[in-house]
Amino acid sequence: GAVVSQHPSWVICKSGTSVKIECRSLDFQATTMFWYRQFPKQSLMLMATSNEGSKATYEQGVEKDKFLINHASLTLSTLTVTSAHPEDSSFYICSANYGPYRVQPQHFGDGTRLSIL
Amino acid sequence: SQQGEEDPQALSIQEGENATMNCSYKTSINNLQWYRQNSGRGLVHLILIRSNEREKHSGRLRVTLDTSKKSSSLLITASRAADTASYFCATDLNTGFQKLVFGTGTRLLVSP
Repeated sequence: GAVVSQHPSWVICKSGTSVKIECRSLDFQATTMFWYRQFPKQSLMLMATSNEGSKATYEQGVEKDKFLINHASLTLSTLTVTSAHPEDSSFYICSANYGPYRVQPQHFGDGTRLSIL
Repeated sequence: SQQGEEDPQALSIQEGENATMNCSYKTSINNLQWYRQNSGRGLVHLILIRSNEREKHSGRLRVTLDTSKKSSSLLITASRAADTASYFCATDLNTGFQKLVFGTGTRLLVSP
């Protein structure tokens, strides 16, 4: 159980393009989803916490207008990288859990490798 | 930065040997979790240990937690080539939403 699907797994696009990444919880309702960014051979850096039906909470230093997050349902959160540039190239990973105030692990998608030319 | 430190950064062993990874963190925690990441993939949860627990086992995995020293260790016994991956500790800072702060990770290579 607790499967998280992330799509697409890999995308290459031109500079200036906006790219949308989807994160779906397949067999549970995910009140909270998280978006991370990971550079090669480095750890995960939390970008934002996404709660269904409310605005996302962004970590310090993450541009809200650059990385748009929408959590419109209990099974879907999307991250849109707007007007992407080469420095936005990275591995983006989402995770989900059942919601706040429960001691629980996070369930991760398989990640999206974004390459901006 | 709140990020935890892990050591070693990289570990290379032979199949059948044990692998030990250490994690240190900076602030008080609600729980600490260990995750595994195969190259280019997402993370898989291994073990969660609560702040009032000292040791936990799951199959070939053994996790210890010392909150006085703000440290944890992950032991993989009788390692296999399939255990080759990066291993991350992550601390839940008890913010209510289970926001995790990940350590720097240990890259484990198990040779046949």
